[in-house]
Amino acid sequence: AQTVTQSQPEMSVQEAETVTLSCTYDTSESDYYLFWYKQPPSRQMILVIRQEAYKQQNATENRFSVNFQKAAKSFSLKISDSQLGDAAMYFCAYRPKYNNNDMRFGAGTRLTVKP
Amino acid sequence: SQTIHQWPATLVQPVGSPLSLECTVEGTSNPNLYWYRQAAGRGLQLLFYSVGIGQISSEVPQNLSASRPQDRQFILSSKKLLLSDSGFYLCAWSVLGRGPKGDTQYFGPGTRLTVL
Repeated sequence: AQTVTQSQPEMSVQEAETVTLSCTYDTSESDYYLFWYKQPPSRQMILVIRQEAYKQQNATENRFSVNFQKAAKSFSLKISDSQLGDAAMYFCAYRPKYNNNDMRFGAGTRLTVKP
Repeated sequence: SQTIHQWPATLVQPVGSPLSLECTVEGTSNPNLYWYRQAAGRGLQLLFYSVGIGQISSEVPQNLSASRPQDRQFILSSKKLLLSDSGFYLCAWSVLGRGPKGDTQYFGPGTRLTVL
């Protein structure tokens, strides 16, 4: 079974600083996708970034980037130049490439941004 | 562009009453559709998914059922709600392998259900 672990229930960062959220996963698959979703107080889940396991290059989306370590099964999210609007719950998710319906989510990390 | 709608946004229901939550997707055809539940302070649990009209797969045995009467409509129902059905219900869609974000699930705004 695939499981996703987010070991940091809560994190805080000063505005304009950088923060890294951790995620590890367990799988026997060789090809899969990894995602980070943001859930602000409105509760809508918003895709932040997506990584394909067969791509060695780490994905980036503006201030958001990942450190994907396939051998270590680690997928951390780095937020640079943190903004007040980044405050939210962040969920790491895993999905096997050939099973679109087997999405697994971590328990989430609550990020607080201090002005 | 694609959009996903859910209603109602908030619902308070007594134990034993029926439930119907609706989700519709615009701007895409033949999407995969999903219902998730999120308990307070927890991650997401997949309840149902559908790959086409009338095709429903259940992930968790429970008091709920799902239906897909039209290509872009997904309904979550219950005949008699339980206290444990309280939570935040999210609908999501995905389309296999299209574009740079193919196979990604996109979520609706959610419905907060409180069963009293």
